[in-house]
Amino acid sequence: DTGVSQDPRHKITKRGQNVTFRCDPISEHNRLYWYRQTLGQGPEFLTYFQNEAQLEKSRLLSDRFSAERPKGSFSTLEIQRTEQGDSAMYLCASSLAGAPIYEQYFGPGTRLTVT
Amino acid sequence: AQKVTQAQTEISVVEKEDVTLDCVYETRDTTYYLFWYKQPPSGELVFLIRRNSFDEQNEISGRYSWNFQKSTSSFNFTITASQVVDSAVYFCALSEAVGGSNYKLTFGKGTLLTVNP
Repeated sequence: DTGVSQDPRHKITKRGQNVTFRCDPISEHNRLYWYRQTLGQGPEFLTYFQNEAQLEKSRLLSDRFSAERPKGSFSTLEIQRTEQGDSAMYLCASSLAGAPIYEQYFGPGTRLTVT
Repeated sequence: AQKVTQAQTEISVVEKEDVTLDCVYETRDTTYYLFWYKQPPSGELVFLIRRNSFDEQNEISGRYSWNFQKSTSSFNFTITASQVVDSAVYFCALSEAVGGSNYKLTFGKGTLLTVNP
């Protein structure tokens, strides 16, 4: 399977703990995106990378959130000192960069529950 | 700021009926891209169609068709002869174009489509 993969698929953690999620994009895709989706809502953009460079961060991404893509391949999203409001599905997507516009392909998501 | 509105929260149809999902968008960009994604109960977003702002030609792809009207900022999506497997949440999304390359998608809240046998 050469699609976008995410790990873990589910994470339950206690408030105040740190969590880290991993995303492996489609191998030839140089753009990688993180989104957050809460129940009954559409995904909301968090951040994106072109290769290893983080080019934009949403204001939704508080100081407790950090994302990396060290070698331009997989990416990690870390949430420090989790809060109940962080409970959501965290989606990763990847695409090719350039013109014409390429669609983003999404992974299955990591569902985070903060108790 | 960009905005996508999907006024229909839920739609329920009987199998084989045609169904149209509405999408209205707002953007100040002159070049932008519109997408439809499907999210079945399994949760993974599946890309369906893409349209750029300078091509208003409407197309049909199998049972899917779309109607892009720049004058009304609408990008409606139609499923012909619906099937039970079409049951899912459908999202309309808008992308800015910066330097010829898109980045973030702005999604609507989605329309839950239920196709009953």
